[in-house]
Amino acid sequence: DVKVTQSSRYLVKRTGEKVFLECVQDMDHENMFWYRQDPGLGLRLIYFSYDVKMKEKGDIPEGYSVSREKKERFSLILESASTNQTSMYLCASSLTLRRRPSHEQYFGPGTRLTVT
Amino acid sequence: GENVEQHPSTLSVQEGDSAVIKCTYSDSASNYFPWYKQELGKRPQLIIDIRSNVGEKKDQRIAVTLNKTAKHFSLHITETQPEDSAVYFCAASSRDTGRRALTFGSGTRLQVQP
Repeated sequence: DVKVTQSSRYLVKRTGEKVFLECVQDMDHENMFWYRQDPGLGLRLIYFSYDVKMKEKGDIPEGYSVSREKKERFSLILESASTNQTSMYLCASSLTLRRRPSHEQYFGPGTRLTVT
Repeated sequence: GENVEQHPSTLSVQEGDSAVIKCTYSDSASNYFPWYKQELGKRPQLIIDIRSNVGEKKDQRIAVTLNKTAKHFSLHITETQPEDSAVYFCAASSRDTGRRALTFGSGTRLQVQP
């Protein structure tokens, strides 16, 4: 049973603070993803990683950075939190199958971040 | 990059009726199209997917159809039940990301009235 966990369910931070969101998966998945979910906008990809120390920008990377020092852990960093980063943040992971297109993504429970 | 549009944004049906959600995509090289269901307060979970070498796939009361020429795919739920009430997201794999990442639609909130 795949398990993806996130460090916090709810987080309240002040404008300008540095914020760390942690995600851990226990299924030895190569790929890990960070999305933000906003009403009417669906799930938008912020960053993803397909290997340790590798990262790729998604559709909305501005204001965010990521770190992947170990295969099971993928961190999202808000260098200086702003009110427009108030959102639900979802982490996901997936396996890479050779010669196959993308595989099922398994999501974490989400972190609802409020920036005041 | 890939762009996925999803319609309708909300859908209300009577229990037992069918529901259809439609998506279009822009990248003709996309070849994997999953559908995720997100119940209130829960994480999205895959319910069905289709690859570009297949035109239709069924799993009990749900089915997905794919029209590669028109670049659209649809989710069909028959004999809807109250537990089908949720937000449904379509997605397409993105060639720009080596097909590791998905581009999601904006979601459809389905409400099944008992």
